[in-house]
Amino acid sequence: AQSVTQLGSHVSVSEGALVLLRCNYSSSVPPYLFWYVQYPNQGLQLLLKYTTGATLVKGINGFEAEFKKSETSFHLTKPSAHMSDAAEYFCAVRGVNAGNNRKLIWGLGTSLAVNP
Amino acid sequence: DVKVTQSSRYLVKRTGEKVFLECVQDMDHENMFWYRQDPGLGLRLIYFSYDVKMKEKGDIPEGYSVSREKKERFSLILESASTNQTSMYLCASSLRGGNTEAFFGQGTRLTVV
Repeated sequence: AQSVTQLGSHVSVSEGALVLLRCNYSSSVPPYLFWYVQYPNQGLQLLLKYTTGATLVKGINGFEAEFKKSETSFHLTKPSAHMSDAAEYFCAVRGVNAGNNRKLIWGLGTSLAVNP
Repeated sequence: DVKVTQSSRYLVKRTGEKVFLECVQDMDHENMFWYRQDPGLGLRLIYFSYDVKMKEKGDIPEGYSVSREKKERFSLILESASTNQTSMYLCASSLRGGNTEAFFGQGTRLTVV
């Protein structure tokens, strides 16, 4: 079965430091991959997505992610954290099997804290 | 901008009540979804619909039903609310294509007392 693993349910960084949120996926075919952000008491908002083409994808708010097929990874990075980046981040992959190809398969999320 | 609107941000209901959560999208999306979100469990799919009057069970459909009579509206029904259904409920919609993202509503925080 397809799955998404986000390493680290809680990540804490200092303001101005590099943000690295890890996501590994399983898929038997080239995947469609997504990162979403959720601010407190809000719905989810798309940060970026990978479908085809360039493996380095740039998103909103200075975030980017690199699709690495050999590592089955899609890690999210931002060079310099801001206090406003504190939120929950979710990685997702599009289902590819007959029973789940209309759905997204979600990781459990990573809560990012940014310390002053 | 795509807009997915959930009818309530906060809701308090009593055990045994029938509860309706409404979701409306304005972008003519074919797919609509209902998730519940609980701490440490991520997003779990309750039901989804890929067309009017069409629905499929997600991972946790027990205790819930859905209705999609019009393309833009997808309703989640708790037939007899229980305290273990206290949760954040998120509605989403998307186009049919596999490379398209889902757009989410603001969520409804339901408390069953």
